[in-house]
Amino acid sequence: KAGVTQTPRYLIKTRGQQVTLSCSPISGHRSVSWYQQTPGQGLQFLFEYFSETQRNKGNFPGRFSGRQFSNSRSEMNVSTLELGDSALYLCASSLGPGLGTGELFFGEGSRLTVL
Amino acid sequence: GIQVEQSPPDLILQEGANSTLRCNFSDSVNNLQWFHQNPWGQLINLFYIPSGTKQNGRLSATTVATERYSLLYISSSQTTDSGVYFCAVEGGGADGLTFGKGTHLIIQP
Repeated sequence: KAGVTQTPRYLIKTRGQQVTLSCSPISGHRSVSWYQQTPGQGLQFLFEYFSETQRNKGNFPGRFSGRQFSNSRSEMNVSTLELGDSALYLCASSLGPGLGTGELFFGEGSRLTVL
Repeated sequence: GIQVEQSPPDLILQEGANSTLRCNFSDSVNNLQWFHQNPWGQLINLFYIPSGTKQNGRLSATTVATERYSLLYISSSQTTDSGVYFCAVEGGGADGLTFGKGTHLIIQP
């Protein structure tokens, strides 16, 4: 079956703009998580959605937001982009909450460059 | 929050060698996964192993939850095994995976 699909794969924005990234989970998976990877901070948890509800949120400013639709697809948005937001944004899907988020499967990521 | 330490940070081996990567974590976990990040950035699942031992071909992993560590074994290394290996855990707070800084493995022909 198809894996986790993220779009766009690459994008370039300028400071102050906003960006929306999309993630389609594996069919049947209802939980979607987002992670940010930078050379300095490594991989960090952004947020997790299940059944259109945000379950958990990492330690990121309010400029980072997300949502999940009824078909489990998710989007994340970053407003008022800063240079430090340049990163690889990874989406992961899992079956859903049990004890924790369960086994996660990651997409190929969206690489954002902010100029 | 939970702390994750991976060792060694870097490892250079000849093709055919065996290696052991270690992951220590600071608290009890509900989830522990090992990933291999490919050159394009995708995290490839290797093992979902909050406890016990699993094997998949030349790779195997063991997690001793009571002692808060996990080991990833790679046998008969190939150049395609090169890359960064991450250990990630989730504690009882279900607040997402916490990743270690990774082990950068280079397999030389």
